[in-house]
Amino acid sequence: DVKVTQSSRYLVKRTGEKVFLECVQDMDHENMFWYRQDPGLGLRLIYFSYDVKMKEKGDIPEGYSVSREKKERFSLILESASTNQTSMYLCASTGTGPGETQYFGPGTRLLVL
Amino acid sequence: AQSVAQPEDQVNVAEGNPLTVKCTYSVSGNPYLFWYVQYPNRGLQFLLKYITGDNLVKGSYGFEAEFNKSQTSFHLKKPSALVSDSALYFCAVRDHSNDMRFGAGTRLTVKP
Repeated sequence: DVKVTQSSRYLVKRTGEKVFLECVQDMDHENMFWYRQDPGLGLRLIYFSYDVKMKEKGDIPEGYSVSREKKERFSLILESASTNQTSMYLCASTGTGPGETQYFGPGTRLLVL
Repeated sequence: AQSVAQPEDQVNVAEGNPLTVKCTYSVSGNPYLFWYVQYPNRGLQFLLKYITGDNLVKGSYGFEAEFNKSQTSFHLKKPSALVSDSALYFCAVRDHSNDMRFGAGTRLTVKP
């Protein structure tokens, strides 16, 4: 079974803090994704990566950065957390090819005070 | 660019009745269509997908979906709903690229 893990299930941070969200997958997938999920908006893509040290902006990259130093690990960084970044963050991974299934981690619910 | 619409925010059905969660899509070229389910405070779990071939796709937990190219739809169905099916359901579409687009989600409530 594919396993995607995220470092925290719940996080509470203060405005202005630097926040790291870690994601690890164990299926040797090339592609990894970070989404945020907000009620009524579905999933919105923040960043994705097709390979180690490679990153591409998604639909809402502002205020975020990412790092992919190893194939299995994809980190999302909030440089200076703000209250509008309070959300559910979901990591996903998939193999190459459009028919491949995306597998999701359990999510990190982040509250920025 | 591809997009997905889930026209119903909420679907309510009685246990034992059939259920349908609707999804329509827009994509250039051949679509790759997916359904996911999300239980409270959890990530998304894959249910089923359409890549090619038979228009009726069977997936996990007794769910199935029918691909209709002329109506650009991919509705999720189950013949007999269970209370435990209550969750948030997402439809997603991908074109030839790795860019997957999700609908806003439909909350299914199955009442005993």
